[in-house]
Amino acid sequence: EIVMMQSPATLSVSPGERATLSCRASQSVSSYLGWYQQRPGQAPRLLIYGASTRATGIPARFSGSGSGTEFTLTISSLQSEDFAVYYCQQYNKWPLTFGGGTKVEIK
Amino acid sequence: EVQLLESGGGLVQPGESLRLSCAASGFTFSSHAMGWVRQAPGKGLEWVSSITSNSRAAYYADSVKGRFSISRDNSKNTLYLQMSSLRDEDTAVYHCILCDSGWVGDNWGQGTLVTVSS
Repeated sequence: EIVMMQSPATLSVSPGERATLSCRASQSVSSYLGWYQQRPGQAPRLLIYGASTRATGIPARFSGSGSGTEFTLTISSLQSEDFAVYYCQQYNKWPLTFGGGTKVEIK
Repeated sequence: EVQLLESGGGLVQPGESLRLSCAASGFTFSSHAMGWVRQAPGKGLEWVSSITSNSRAAYYADSVKGRFSISRDNSKNTLYLQMSSLRDEDTAVYHCILCDSGWVGDNWGQGTLVTVSS
């Protein structure tokens, strides 16, 4: 099974600042990598698929990069609604696997 | 608008069975792969199972293989998850997902809570 590791576990950021979240795979997943946002009490929402393609309706301040084993989600200027937990997920091989999540909190 | 409405959750004892349903609307159900993802209380996301649009292939997490079975009825726009031999560690909110951009969850239902406890 491919293990997905996210860092940091918690990221403290001020509104308007940039946030950079990392996701590392235990083996190559090519570009089969998705990112999700989960706000408290809500279902997750797909942000990015294919490592760098924004899902429908996702603001341009969210961007994804990377391939192989190293991936990054960047939020260029944090808005109040962006404080949430973010998960990465690989879909290159079965079983599909998620990272443990990064909580982005207000500094 | 895509809507995914899960039902069938509840409190069961270890070893018992339960069937979850997901009623889908707002898209052509028969054209899309679907799946289930769960989240234990206060924990992260765990993929459970996925199924192709025509039911020809189904995939399972090792933690549920042999105990859970995914299926769909394209005539009823409904996805199912048959769960048997339930364990305490199966306690979670189970989300139904629509897979449109590959094997990712493009859309999620709000989930149904399954509690396994004696």
